[in-house]
Amino acid sequence: EVQLVQSRAEVRKPGESLRISCKGSGYTFSYYWIAWVRQMPGKGLEWIGIIYPGDSDTRYNPSFQGQVTMSADKSINTAYLRWHSLEASDTAIYYCARPLDSGSHYFYWGQGTLVTVSS
Amino acid sequence: DIVMTQSPATLSVSPGESATLSCRASQSISFNLAWYQQIPGQAPRLLIYDASTRATGIPARFSGSGSGTEFTLTISGLQSEDFAVYSCQQYNNWPQTFGQGTKVEIK
Repeated sequence: EVQLVQSRAEVRKPGESLRISCKGSGYTFSYYWIAWVRQMPGKGLEWIGIIYPGDSDTRYNPSFQGQVTMSADKSINTAYLRWHSLEASDTAIYYCARPLDSGSHYFYWGQGTLVTVSS
Repeated sequence: DIVMTQSPATLSVSPGESATLSCRASQSISFNLAWYQQIPGQAPRLLIYDASTRATGIPARFSGSGSGTEFTLTISGLQSEDFAVYSCQQYNNWPQTFGQGTKVEIK
């Protein structure tokens, strides 16, 4: 069974750094793109970007480029999303997701990680 | 970026009735559109991809249609578990973009 399990909720202050994770299981992690999606409180979904764990190839939404960094460690089947300096506007739920096979529609989703940035 | 506009924002429907949701793209996206269902507190669930293909395990009461810039999700015979927020996603162009969602609520 394919599963994406994300790290727990986090609370940080503005200016702090953070890395959240998404661990895949039940499939060959290296072979499928992983997407990151943001959902701000009461708002719609926003595509942050995707990473191919096999070679760490990344594609960013220009709106998020420079604000976050995606990475992956295929040896432990885990993808990461990192912030160097959080802002209050980063408060959101962050999901990782994977397509069923090829394509860019996402069948498998993590449970989401709530990130709260508040002074 | 391609802007995805969904209408209406909220749709009030009685159980057993049908619901028709619309999604419009700011430019042609061919058939590269997906629909997701999201229940509060849960991750999105893929319903439809390539505009009209039901994802694995999705009941036949969910159907999608359209191409180019105009797309429709139809839910026939709404059941209690169908009251949720529905979002469309285009994956024809980078960056991928989502609509703002349509909330289907119980009338």
